[in-house]
Amino acid sequence: GAVVSQHPSRVICKSGTSVKIECRSLDFQATTMFWYRQFPKQSLMLMATSNEGSKATYEQGVEKDKFLINHASLTLSTLTVTSAHPEDSSFYICSVNQGPGQGSYGYTFGSGTRLTVV
Amino acid sequence: TQLLEQSPQFLSIQEGENLTVYCNSSSVFSSLQWYRQEPGEGPVLLVTVVTGGEVKKLKRLTFQFGDARKDSSLHITAAQPGDTGLYLCAGAAGATNKLIFGTGTLLAVQP
Repeated sequence: GAVVSQHPSRVICKSGTSVKIECRSLDFQATTMFWYRQFPKQSLMLMATSNEGSKATYEQGVEKDKFLINHASLTLSTLTVTSAHPEDSSFYICSVNQGPGQGSYGYTFGSGTRLTVV
Repeated sequence: TQLLEQSPQFLSIQEGENLTVYCNSSSVFSSLQWYRQEPGEGPVLLVTVVTGGEVKKLKRLTFQFGDARKDSSLHITAAQPGDTGLYLCAGAAGATNKLIFGTGTLLAVQP
């Protein structure tokens, strides 16, 4: 399957600042990537679908002005948490889907970013 | 909104016991996957089921997809401490095949 690199793995920021998280597909050109958020001991909640060269598609209840997504190339999507607050502290994970032709239906996940807002 | 409900939410058992985790939805999914996730890491794919009624085995793990493709189960035989983790089912939805995750089952296997 695809190799997905997510950076940084951990970040601590002050309340009110912005944080950018990068998701790179190292060996696959991804027209779409997915961003998830996960709170401790809970499941992954889909935040948005990142579309290369066009606007991201946000899930219901996710503030698009708060969570800015940019997918400028086929190998890189970024998620920027703007004006972060302590309630934004969470584990953020990206995913790439290579499609059914890849046998396993080709979902590969990054290793996640632990964001702590203080 | 497509929802995937898992049960039980938490499970603590002794080594050697058997267990079953259920994943239920009112929606039909074209495929359903099971993942296992360790703390601080991304989820790792265990299996994908596609055909209604399909049964797949992976060593001590048995996965079943319901006939109507709305539900699935994961059965673990003779659980070991290494099986401890968060188990997630997930269904593909929409034109982009976005993955919707179930509510999760946190399993702890005591030695």
